Amino acid sequence: AQSVSQHNHHVILSEAASLELGCNYSYGGTVNLFWYVQYPGQHLQLLLKYFSGDPLVKGIKGFEAEFIKSKFSFNLRKPSVQWSDTAEYFCAVNAKGGATNKLIFGTGTLLAVQP
Amino acid sequence: DAGVTQSPTHLIKTRGQQVTLRCSPKSGHDTVSWYQQALGQGPQFIFQYYEEEERQRGNFPDRFSGHQFPNYSSELNVNALLLGDSALYLCASSLRQGVVYTEAFFGQGTRLTVV
Repeated sequence: AQSVSQHNHHVILSEAASLELGCNYSYGGTVNLFWYVQYPGQHLQLLLKYFSGDPLVKGIKGFEAEFIKSKFSFNLRKPSVQWSDTAEYFCAVNAKGGATNKLIFGTGTLLAVQP
Repeated sequence: DAGVTQSPTHLIKTRGQQVTLRCSPKSGHDTVSWYQQALGQGPQFIFQYYEEEERQRGNFPDRFSGHQFPNYSSELNVNALLLGDSALYLCASSLRQGVVYTEAFFGQGTRLTVV
């Protein structure tokens, strides 16, 4: 069965600390990978995406993620977090070339950054 | 450029009633997907519409139905509401380009409470 696992449900960091959120997926085919962010009271926004090419992708607001195919992982990183990064982060996957772009989401990681 | 808009933002219904949620896709998009996000969970795919047809359906009962109109807007209908249907319902739109899709943009959601 297709699934996405996010290992950290709640993460608390101080400003300027480094961030790494884990994401592993299970899927029997080629995939596209995404990280979405949901700031308090706002809609889900795309942070970054991987379709093909360089497995290290850069997104908005200084975030980056690395696709490691052998590990079925797509971990999100940021070298120095800010209070404004407080949000819920979702990893998602869909099938490359599928009939639809149905997304399978992880359960999310709630990040709280303390000033 | 308007993003994805959903109405209403909040709704309270009684068990057994029926509800209709509405979605207007981002300008230029032709594909609409619906997701259910229960508290503390990631969004779960309900179904996707393209060219006014349901193209794929997730693991949801027939009580959940939808429609897409010629202007690409969409409705989600839920009949015989159960308490467990209480959730945030998200609409996402994208553009189909041949056999691939652009990334999905999400609306702010409709918070449905069933009492």
